[in-house]
Amino acid sequence: SQTIHQWPVTLVQPVGSPLSLECTVEGTSNPNLYWYRQAAGRGLQLLFYSVGIGQISSEVPQNLSASRPQDRQFILSSKKLLLSDSGFYLCAWGTGLTDTQYFGPGTRLTVL
Amino acid sequence: GEDVEQSLFLSVREGDSSVINCTYTDSSSTYLYWYKQEPGAGLQLLTYIFSNMDMKQDQRLTVLLNKKDKHLSLRIADTQTGDSAIYFCAESSRSSASKIIFGSGTRLSIRP
Repeated sequence: SQTIHQWPVTLVQPVGSPLSLECTVEGTSNPNLYWYRQAAGRGLQLLFYSVGIGQISSEVPQNLSASRPQDRQFILSSKKLLLSDSGFYLCAWGTGLTDTQYFGPGTRLTVL
Repeated sequence: GEDVEQSLFLSVREGDSSVINCTYTDSSSTYLYWYKQEPGAGLQLLTYIFSNMDMKQDQRLTVLLNKKDKHLSLRIADTQTGDSAIYFCAESSRSSASKIIFGSGTRLSIRP
């Protein structure tokens, strides 16, 4: 069966520090991968998605970036965090067959 | 453009049925989804319905789709305290392969 992992679970970082969040998927190959941000426990904002290694589509301009160095690994990064980057970051994967997406447990990021 | 709308809150008595409603704009959506998010957790796929279906039932969950009115509903029979969560409606996007558009979520609270 497929599983998706995210780490760290929680993170507290100072403004201006770098960021690296990691997401890995097991039990499937060539998945579509997604990064979302959720503010204040409400709606989801799609940040990036990837349909293959090295293929990244950005949905909103921001100081975040994403990379996919391996088929089942998706990384969200920033060189300098802003206060507004605080939120709950969710990674998801999908097969593209039914467009269904399956979510990881999330990373709670607090920028102080 | 593509948009999915839901009411923000719903309160029901334990043991009653809960009905969460959603409207969407993209009549060409192939799939429509319901996700559940418990506090501090990722989104869990509850069910999805193919656009050529009117109804789908799975144990206590019943999904009704009215394509003419672009209205989707989720009925939870015999609502329990464990059903307290935020419920997200979503539709598959025609603008880009394998993207789905989420509503802002309905927070379901259960009163004794």
